[in-house]
Amino acid sequence: GAGVSQSPSNKVTEKGKDVELRCDPISGHTALYWYRQSLGQGLEFLIYFQGNSAPDKSGLPSDRFSAERTGGSVSTLTIQRTQQEDSAVYLCASSLGSSSYNEQFFGPGTRLTVL
Amino acid sequence: ELKVEQNPLFLSMQEGKNYTIYCNYSTTSDRLYWYRQDPGKSLESLFVLLSNGAVKQEGRLMASLDTKARLSTLHITAAVHDLSATYFCAVDRGNKLVFGAGTILRVKS
Repeated sequence: GAGVSQSPSNKVTEKGKDVELRCDPISGHTALYWYRQSLGQGLEFLIYFQGNSAPDKSGLPSDRFSAERTGGSVSTLTIQRTQQEDSAVYLCASSLGSSSYNEQFFGPGTRLTVL
Repeated sequence: ELKVEQNPLFLSMQEGKNYTIYCNYSTTSDRLYWYRQDPGKSLESLFVLLSNGAVKQEGRLMASLDTKARLSTLHITAAVHDLSATYFCAVDRGNKLVFGAGTILRVKS
């Protein structure tokens, strides 16, 4: 079946612009996660959505970062007033969310470059 | 705060040799995952370890979990070039995974 999809695959933007990154999870997966992978920081958790519950935003690095998940499916990560340190690969993952463990399946990522 | 440490961070192996990657973590957890990442690609799930003493094997890779020691190992048997990649362990904290820094594995012919 289809895996997690993300768009765009690459995004180049100028410092100060806003960007939106999209994630389409695996059908039937109720849990959705955003991570960031950068050279200096490795893989970092950003935000977690589970069904209709309030999201866990504890990993968002600043208030310039926000995310939504509409209809329990597609999610959008928005970065406002981008800075050069936001350059990274943004990975989305999903899991069934209802079992005793949460094996997460990752999308191909969006490579963001802030000039 | 949970810390996950992998070592070594870089491993240059000769084909046919055996080696082990170690993953230590600082607070109790009984769920640990291993992922593989090829250059420019996303993360591929390799193993899910759900209890103390769990051992999983797939081809030349074998993973184990000792929750008392807070240690997981990924053992590579008779390395082949196709295993060249970056390997991550990740500890499950319910709402998120906490990743190690990754081990870059290069298998030389």
